[in-house]
Amino acid sequence: KQEVTQIPAALSVPEGENLVLNCSFTDSAIYNLQWFRQDPGKGLTSLLLIQSSQREQTSGRLNASLDKSSGRSTLYIAASQPGDSATYLCAVGLSGSARQLTFGSGTQLTVLP
Amino acid sequence: EAQVTQNPRYLITVTGKKLTVTCSQNMNHEYMSWYRQDPGLGLRQIYYSMNVEVTDKGDVPEGYKVSRKEKRNFPLILESPSPNQTSLYFCASSSRQVGGATGANVLTFGAGSRLTVL
Repeated sequence: KQEVTQIPAALSVPEGENLVLNCSFTDSAIYNLQWFRQDPGKGLTSLLLIQSSQREQTSGRLNASLDKSSGRSTLYIAASQPGDSATYLCAVGLSGSARQLTFGSGTQLTVLP
Repeated sequence: EAQVTQNPRYLITVTGKKLTVTCSQNMNHEYMSWYRQDPGLGLRQIYYSMNVEVTDKGDVPEGYKVSRKEKRNFPLILESPSPNQTSLYFCASSSRQVGGATGANVLTFGAGSRLTVL
Protein backbone atom coordinates (compact mmCIF):
# COMPACT_ATOMS: atom_id res chain seq x y z
CA LYS A 1 0.00 0.00 0.00
CA GLN A 2 1.29 3.42 -0.95
CA GLU A 3 2.37 5.61 1.94
CA VAL A 4 3.23 9.26 1.57
CA THR A 5 5.28 11.08 4.18
CA GLN A 6 6.02 14.75 4.56
CA ILE A 7 8.75 16.02 6.85
CA PRO A 8 8.82 18.34 8.69
CA ALA A 9 5.25 18.62 9.89
CA ALA A 10 5.78 22.32 10.54
CA LEU A 11 8.31 24.89 9.38
CA SER A 12 8.81 28.53 10.26
CA VAL A 13 11.10 30.79 8.24
CA PRO A 14 11.76 34.52 7.96
CA GLU A 15 10.48 36.36 4.93
CA GLY A 16 12.74 36.27 1.88
CA GLU A 17 14.25 32.87 2.51
CA ASN A 18 14.31 30.13 -0.08
CA LEU A 19 12.94 26.89 1.30
CA VAL A 20 12.37 23.26 0.39
CA LEU A 21 9.49 21.05 1.43
CA ASN A 22 9.95 17.30 1.21
CA CYS A 23 7.66 14.47 0.21
CA SER A 24 8.52 10.78 0.09
CA PHE A 25 6.49 7.82 -1.11
CA THR A 26 6.98 4.08 -0.73
CA ASP A 27 5.76 2.75 -4.09
CA SER A 28 7.65 4.16 -7.07
CA ALA A 29 4.97 2.99 -9.53
CA ILE A 30 3.22 6.33 -9.52
CA TYR A 31 1.48 7.98 -12.43
CA ASN A 32 1.77 11.54 -11.25
CA LEU A 33 2.40 13.64 -8.17
CA GLN A 34 0.68 16.85 -7.16
CA TRP A 35 1.45 19.56 -4.67
CA PHE A 36 -1.48 21.31 -3.04
CA ARG A 37 -1.84 24.35 -0.85
CA GLN A 38 -4.42 24.43 1.95
CA ASP A 39 -5.50 27.64 3.65
CA PRO A 40 -7.59 27.60 6.84
CA GLY A 41 -11.32 27.53 6.07
CA LYS A 42 -10.69 26.87 2.42
CA GLY A 43 -10.30 23.84 0.26
CA LEU A 44 -7.14 22.59 -1.34
CA THR A 45 -5.70 24.35 -4.34
CA SER A 46 -3.51 22.46 -6.78
CA LEU A 47 -0.15 24.16 -7.26
CA LEU A 48 1.82 21.85 -9.51
CA LEU A 49 1.31 18.47 -11.13
CA ILE A 50 4.24 16.36 -12.29
CA GLN A 51 3.70 13.41 -14.59
CA SER A 52 5.80 10.35 -13.82
CA SER A 53 7.79 10.92 -17.01
CA GLN A 54 8.75 14.43 -15.93
CA ARG A 55 11.49 15.54 -13.58
CA GLU A 56 10.17 18.93 -12.57
CA GLN A 57 7.51 21.58 -13.00
CA THR A 58 7.73 25.30 -12.38
CA SER A 59 5.13 27.93 -11.66
CA GLY A 60 6.32 31.39 -10.68
CA ARG A 61 8.37 31.11 -7.50
CA LEU A 62 7.51 27.44 -7.11
CA ASN A 63 9.48 24.52 -8.48
CA ALA A 64 8.55 20.91 -7.87
CA SER A 65 10.90 18.04 -8.64
CA LEU A 66 10.26 14.33 -8.86
CA ASP A 67 12.67 11.42 -8.44
CA LYS A 68 10.65 8.25 -8.86
CA SER A 69 13.54 5.89 -8.30
CA SER A 70 14.23 7.27 -4.84
CA GLY A 71 10.57 7.89 -4.05
CA ARG A 72 11.00 11.60 -3.43
CA SER A 73 9.62 14.93 -4.46
CA THR A 74 10.55 18.41 -3.32
CA LEU A 75 8.72 21.71 -3.52
CA TYR A 76 11.09 24.66 -3.71
CA ILE A 77 9.71 28.08 -2.81
CA ALA A 78 11.91 31.01 -3.75
CA ALA A 79 11.95 34.32 -1.89
CA SER A 80 9.23 33.31 0.54
CA GLN A 81 6.52 35.80 1.53
CA PRO A 82 4.07 35.91 4.46
CA GLY A 83 1.32 35.14 1.94
CA ASP A 84 2.96 31.77 1.36
CA SER A 85 1.97 30.74 4.89
CA ALA A 86 -0.28 27.70 4.52
CA THR A 87 -0.22 23.92 4.74
CA TYR A 88 1.35 22.20 1.75
CA LEU A 89 0.33 18.68 0.87
CA CYS A 90 1.72 16.32 -1.69
CA ALA A 91 -0.31 13.53 -3.23
CA VAL A 92 0.60 10.66 -5.55
CA GLY A 93 -1.56 8.99 -8.16
CA LEU A 94 -0.96 5.28 -8.71
CA SER A 95 -0.42 3.79 -12.16
CA GLY A 96 -3.36 1.85 -13.53
CA SER A 97 -5.35 2.42 -10.41
CA ALA A 98 -8.98 3.40 -10.35
CA ARG A 99 -8.40 5.12 -7.10
CA GLN A 100 -7.71 8.77 -6.50
CA LEU A 101 -4.68 10.30 -4.92
CA THR A 102 -2.86 9.20 -1.78
CA PHE A 103 -2.08 12.24 0.32
CA GLY A 104 0.67 13.06 2.74
CA SER A 105 -0.21 14.70 6.05
CA GLY A 106 1.24 18.04 5.02
CA THR A 107 3.81 20.58 6.12
CA GLN A 108 2.49 23.68 7.85
CA LEU A 109 4.58 26.62 6.67
CA THR A 110 4.76 29.95 8.46
CA VAL A 111 6.66 32.79 6.84
CA LEU A 112 7.43 35.49 9.37
CA PRO A 113 7.44 39.15 8.27
CA GLU B 1 -17.61 30.45 -11.46
CA ALA B 2 -16.46 26.83 -11.56
CA GLN B 3 -16.69 25.42 -8.09
CA VAL B 4 -17.51 22.60 -5.72
CA THR B 5 -20.02 23.60 -3.05
CA GLN B 6 -20.40 21.78 0.24
CA ASN B 7 -23.05 22.29 2.88
CA PRO B 8 -23.11 22.69 5.77
CA ARG B 9 -19.70 24.22 6.35
CA TYR B 10 -19.92 23.66 10.09
CA LEU B 11 -22.09 21.26 12.02
CA ILE B 12 -22.29 20.06 15.60
CA THR B 13 -24.50 17.07 16.15
CA VAL B 14 -25.02 14.24 18.63
CA THR B 15 -24.30 10.55 18.39
CA GLY B 16 -26.82 8.64 16.33
CA LYS B 17 -28.57 11.55 14.65
CA LYS B 18 -28.51 10.96 10.90
CA LEU B 19 -27.01 13.73 8.83
CA THR B 20 -26.19 14.45 5.21
CA VAL B 21 -23.41 16.64 3.86
CA THR B 22 -24.22 17.81 0.37
CA CYS B 23 -21.73 18.33 -2.43
CA SER B 24 -22.49 19.90 -5.77
CA GLN B 25 -20.23 20.78 -8.70
CA ASN B 26 -21.03 22.93 -11.72
CA MET B 27 -18.25 21.73 -14.03
CA ASN B 28 -19.94 18.65 -15.48
CA HIS B 29 -17.25 16.49 -13.92
CA GLU B 30 -17.60 12.73 -14.10
CA TYR B 31 -15.40 12.01 -11.12
CA MET B 32 -16.30 12.96 -7.55
CA SER B 33 -14.82 11.93 -4.25
CA TRP B 34 -15.13 12.44 -0.49
CA TYR B 35 -12.19 12.76 1.89
CA ARG B 36 -11.79 13.25 5.58
CA GLN B 37 -8.85 15.08 7.08
CA ASP B 38 -7.59 14.40 10.58
CA PRO B 39 -4.50 15.82 12.31
CA GLY B 40 -1.36 13.89 11.38
CA LEU B 41 -3.23 11.60 9.00
CA GLY B 42 -3.61 13.73 5.91
CA LEU B 43 -6.59 13.29 3.64
CA ARG B 44 -8.11 9.83 3.46
CA GLN B 45 -10.58 8.84 0.82
CA ILE B 46 -14.02 7.76 2.02
CA TYR B 47 -15.91 7.05 -1.22
CA TYR B 48 -15.56 7.97 -4.83
CA SER B 49 -17.74 7.95 -7.91
CA MET B 50 -16.64 7.61 -11.49
CA ASN B 51 -20.01 8.59 -12.93
CA VAL B 52 -23.74 8.58 -12.25
CA GLU B 53 -24.82 5.47 -10.37
CA VAL B 54 -21.20 4.29 -10.09
CA THR B 55 -19.70 4.50 -6.61
CA ASP B 56 -16.96 2.63 -4.79
CA LYS B 57 -15.34 2.49 -1.39
CA GLY B 58 -12.20 4.38 -0.57
CA ASP B 59 -9.84 3.73 2.31
CA VAL B 60 -12.18 4.55 5.20
CA PRO B 61 -15.79 3.88 4.12
CA GLU B 62 -17.10 2.45 7.41
CA GLY B 63 -20.00 4.44 8.81
CA TYR B 64 -20.64 6.37 5.61
CA LYS B 65 -22.91 6.06 2.59
CA VAL B 66 -23.00 7.95 -0.67
CA SER B 67 -25.21 8.18 -3.71
CA ARG B 68 -24.75 9.56 -7.21
CA LYS B 69 -28.17 9.93 -8.77
CA GLU B 70 -27.21 13.06 -10.68
CA LYS B 71 -23.90 13.98 -12.20
CA ARG B 72 -23.56 17.23 -10.27
CA ASN B 73 -24.41 15.94 -6.78
CA PHE B 74 -22.59 13.52 -4.49
CA PRO B 75 -24.00 13.62 -0.95
CA LEU B 76 -22.25 12.00 2.00
CA ILE B 77 -24.59 10.34 4.48
CA LEU B 78 -23.80 9.47 8.07
CA GLU B 79 -26.64 7.17 9.13
CA SER B 80 -25.62 7.00 12.80
CA PRO B 81 -22.75 9.40 13.48
CA SER B 82 -20.25 8.59 16.20
CA PRO B 83 -17.60 10.78 17.88
CA ASN B 84 -14.82 9.15 15.82
CA GLN B 85 -16.40 10.72 12.74
CA THR B 86 -15.58 14.16 14.06
CA SER B 87 -13.41 15.50 11.27
CA LEU B 88 -12.97 17.96 8.43
CA TYR B 89 -14.61 16.64 5.27
CA PHE B 90 -13.77 17.58 1.70
CA CYS B 91 -15.58 16.87 -1.52
CA ALA B 92 -13.62 17.01 -4.77
CA SER B 93 -14.29 16.55 -8.45
CA SER B 94 -12.41 16.25 -11.70
CA SER B 95 -13.23 15.72 -15.34
CA ARG B 96 -11.23 12.52 -15.44
CA GLN B 97 -9.90 9.92 -13.13
CA VAL B 98 -6.92 11.62 -11.53
CA GLY B 99 -4.07 9.27 -10.90
CA GLY B 100 -5.19 6.61 -13.33
CA ALA B 101 -4.03 5.60 -16.79
CA THR B 102 -6.13 8.14 -18.62
CA GLY B 103 -6.25 11.10 -16.33
CA ALA B 104 -3.97 13.89 -15.32
CA ASN B 105 -6.55 16.51 -14.63
CA VAL B 106 -6.55 18.53 -11.51
CA LEU B 107 -8.95 17.93 -8.65
CA THR B 108 -11.18 20.81 -7.62
CA PHE B 109 -11.97 20.81 -3.92
CA GLY B 110 -14.84 22.20 -1.93
CA ALA B 111 -14.12 24.50 1.02
CA GLY B 112 -14.64 21.74 3.55
CA SER B 113 -17.25 20.82 6.15
CA ARG B 114 -16.19 20.70 9.77
CA LEU B 115 -18.26 18.13 11.61
CA THR B 116 -18.31 17.59 15.35
CA VAL B 117 -20.17 14.62 16.80
CA LEU B 118 -20.78 14.80 20.56
